[in-house]
Amino acid sequence: GENVEQHPSTLSVQEGDSAVIKCTYSDSASNYFPWYKQELGKRPQLIIDIRSNVGEKKDQRIAVTLNKTAKHFSLHITETQPEDSAVYFCAAYGGSQGNLIFGKGTKLSVKP
Amino acid sequence: EADIYQTPRYLVIGTGKKITLECSQTMGHDKMYWYQQDPGMELHLIHYSYGVNSTEKGDLSSESTVSRIRTEHFPLTLESARPSHTSQYLCASKGPAGGKAFFGQGTRLTVV
Repeated sequence: GENVEQHPSTLSVQEGDSAVIKCTYSDSASNYFPWYKQELGKRPQLIIDIRSNVGEKKDQRIAVTLNKTAKHFSLHITETQPEDSAVYFCAAYGGSQGNLIFGKGTKLSVKP
Repeated sequence: EADIYQTPRYLVIGTGKKITLECSQTMGHDKMYWYQQDPGMELHLIHYSYGVNSTEKGDLSSESTVSRIRTEHFPLTLESARPSHTSQYLCASKGPAGGKAFFGQGTRLTVV
């Protein structure tokens, strides 16, 4: 089945810097890649997603890139703010088993 | 408002008890998922469903069962709760093809 690896597991940046989180997936049939932000004690919230027929997508300070050949995708957050501090999860969907598999998460800390 | 609902939000039960965690969604999504998550940690897929009368086991079945008799309803049952089942259980539903996936607020289960 699908396997998603996510790096780094923790990331600390200064306010205003950029943050990059990287994920790789194993099933070439996967075709949809969402990213979630989970604040302490809350449910994961979808922040951006990308489909396999697109190489890059941007929404204000957040962007996601996808390299289908290498089977990896990345989340980029620019001009980070303290409220960006949370755990971020990548996921892959649409592989041979049709389930939604998550990476292990990245704890992002933005220091003021 | 279209959303995904989980009940109860918090539950404390004794070892050996049988419990059912409820999950309902009003978005008409075919695909539904159950995940187990310790606070801020990895999301482990327990069960998923492609639609009515479809159920599949994930990597972490954890001695639980699910049913999908109606599109909107996907309950999770623990036949005999153990302290190792203490965790948060998150339900999610997903729209067709590249549709977005959303999470319920979760059930925090404590088995004493």
